[in-house]
Amino acid sequence: DAKTTQPPSMDCAEGRAANLPCNHSTISGNEYVYWYRQIHSQGPQYIIHGLKNNETNEMASLIITEDRKSSTLILPHATLRDTAVYYCIVPLENAGNMLTFGGGTRLMVKP
Amino acid sequence: EAQVTQNPRYLITVTGKKLTVTCSQNMNHEYMSWYRQDPGLGLRQIYYSMNVEVTDKGDVPEGYKVSRKEKRNFPLILESPSPNQTSLYFCASSLRSGGVNTEAFFGQGTRLTVV
Repeated sequence: DAKTTQPPSMDCAEGRAANLPCNHSTISGNEYVYWYRQIHSQGPQYIIHGLKNNETNEMASLIITEDRKSSTLILPHATLRDTAVYYCIVPLENAGNMLTFGGGTRLMVKP
Repeated sequence: EAQVTQNPRYLITVTGKKLTVTCSQNMNHEYMSWYRQDPGLGLRQIYYSMNVEVTDKGDVPEGYKVSRKEKRNFPLILESPSPNQTSLYFCASSLRSGGVNTEAFFGQGTRLTVV
């Protein structure tokens, strides 16, 4: 089971890029990395996922290192509405791909 | 609109009075699950279902039951609620492709208080 490690909190200035790191050094070759975020007490929201290649969608970019032991979620122009807890998750294959939410990174976007 | 709908959003009940929290999704997803969220403990999975009539325990199943008689519905049943089940509950669903769950959609949550 690949466990993830994230910094507990980060600050970012509004309009600047937010770079959220995640360490998943025990990830296996066919396990994906998923990112979700939770704004206040709302339901978690899917952001992006990837296996090996870098990925980009309308919300964010995901950069995965070549050895796949870490990744970075990039919000290119953070807004106040991006203030949330961000979770990096490697689903557990032997438990029906269960999403195990760790502590995540609390991102505070400041004016 | 693709969504996961939970009801009720808020519920206050008394110890021992059976209750059901409903969850419905309109995306024809095979995989559904329930989580609870408590301060300092994060989101923990209660039960999950890989398809109709297939359910399994998550990390914290004690005190809960589920059923999956139809693909779209996955109710969470508390036969005899206790105060330690006071929590924020989320239902989620996702499509399975190649044995892997794709992005999960979460409901808006049910805040349950047991007194």
